[in-house]
Amino acid sequence: KQEVTQIPAALSVPEGENLVLNCSFTDSAIYNLQWFRQDPGKGLTSLLLIQSSQREQTSGRLNASLDKSSGRSTLYIAASQPGDSATYLCAVRRGGATNKLIFGTGTLLAVQP
Amino acid sequence: DAGVIQSPRHEVTEMGQEVTLRCKPISGHDYLFWYRQTMMRGLELLIYFNNNVPIDDSGMPEDRFSAKMPNASFSTLKIQPSEPRDSAVYFCASSLSGDNEQFFGPGTRLTVL
Repeated sequence: KQEVTQIPAALSVPEGENLVLNCSFTDSAIYNLQWFRQDPGKGLTSLLLIQSSQREQTSGRLNASLDKSSGRSTLYIAASQPGDSATYLCAVRRGGATNKLIFGTGTLLAVQP
Repeated sequence: DAGVIQSPRHEVTEMGQEVTLRCKPISGHDYLFWYRQTMMRGLELLIYFNNNVPIDDSGMPEDRFSAKMPNASFSTLKIQPSEPRDSAVYFCASSLSGDNEQFFGPGTRLTVL
């Protein structure tokens, strides 16, 4: 059974710092991995999608990496801003015919001005 | 595009009542997903549709839950009868294909008293 873990559960950093969020999964047979952010009381916003054949994806100040063999992904946020404060979730799509996403428990990020 | 639309945004009901949640996916998306989010269990997939056909409903917790997709632009999730433990935020998401990013609606916050 696929399990997805995110560490740390919460993180507080001063504005301007670079930071890394971690995502681990137990079954390396994944199809892709997606990073989301969730603002309080809101839905999820897709940030980056990495296919299993890719090593990383970049969008603006965000960079996501994927190491399938070790069951890990990281989300790197450069020059953090207070507006980056949110919960960040990773989700893996299993291989095979299913389109189910298995979500991690999330990392609550607070960027202090 | 307006994105995924869900209604109502908030629903408060009494135990035993029927609850119907509604979702309009992004136009042209072939896949529609229903998720539930709670503090205890995080985000869980309940059911998903491909071209209006239910593909995997293994996440539906009980027979009290049912979902339909009568056409490509509308889906409902019904709970009958509702129970306090059904209180959660219910999200609808859609994607262009099974390989693509999932786009989430704002969610419906359900409270069953």
